[in-house]
Amino acid sequence: EDQVTQSPEALRLQEGESSSLNCSYTVSGLRGLFWYRQDPGKGPEFLFTLYSAGEEKEKERLKATLTKKESFLHITAPKPEDSATYLCAVQGAGGTSYGKLTFGQGTILTVHP
Amino acid sequence: EAQVTQNPRYLITVTGKKLTVTCSQNMNHEYMSWYRQDPGLGLRQIYYSMNVEATDKGDVPEGYKVSRKEKRNFPLILESPSPNQTSLYFCASSYRDRGGNSPLHFGNGTRLTVT
Repeated sequence: EDQVTQSPEALRLQEGESSSLNCSYTVSGLRGLFWYRQDPGKGPEFLFTLYSAGEEKEKERLKATLTKKESFLHITAPKPEDSATYLCAVQGAGGTSYGKLTFGQGTILTVHP
Repeated sequence: EAQVTQNPRYLITVTGKKLTVTCSQNMNHEYMSWYRQDPGLGLRQIYYSMNVEATDKGDVPEGYKVSRKEKRNFPLILESPSPNQTSLYFCASSYRDRGGNSPLHFGNGTRLTVT
């Protein structure tokens, strides 16, 4: 069974204070690891897909990295508008899991001005 | 505008009264899925569909039904709702590609309360 664990559950930062969110996973063959952002009252919004260990992707102040056991979402010089819940999800390559996406519980990020 | 549309956004009902939550996407996506989101439990997959007339159970399918008669629509049916189905529900869709699925597009959610 695929499993995803995100830490910390909540993170409070001052504006400009860089930090990282962690996503640890176990999966029977990784098809893809996804990061989403979710604002209150809205559906998750796609940020990144990572496919293999060593891969990195960047978007504005966000950078996602991937190893064989975990992924990190690095936030550089965050702004208050980066406040949201960040979700990590994995899709395994097993025969019964082709259509299944397993999500972590998310990290609630709050950036204070 | 490319989007996934769920209706209704809010629904309050009583135990045992059948209900349907509709989901429609205008992106010609093959793959569609339903999730429920509960505090402390995150997003859990209820059912998914790889294409028309192809549906399969996710992690928490008990008490739910789905159908996929048209590519754009994927309704979620609760035949006899119970209070433990009170939750925030999301529909999502994506293309299928050779490596698996492309990133999901989510609707804005349906908040269901069963009393």
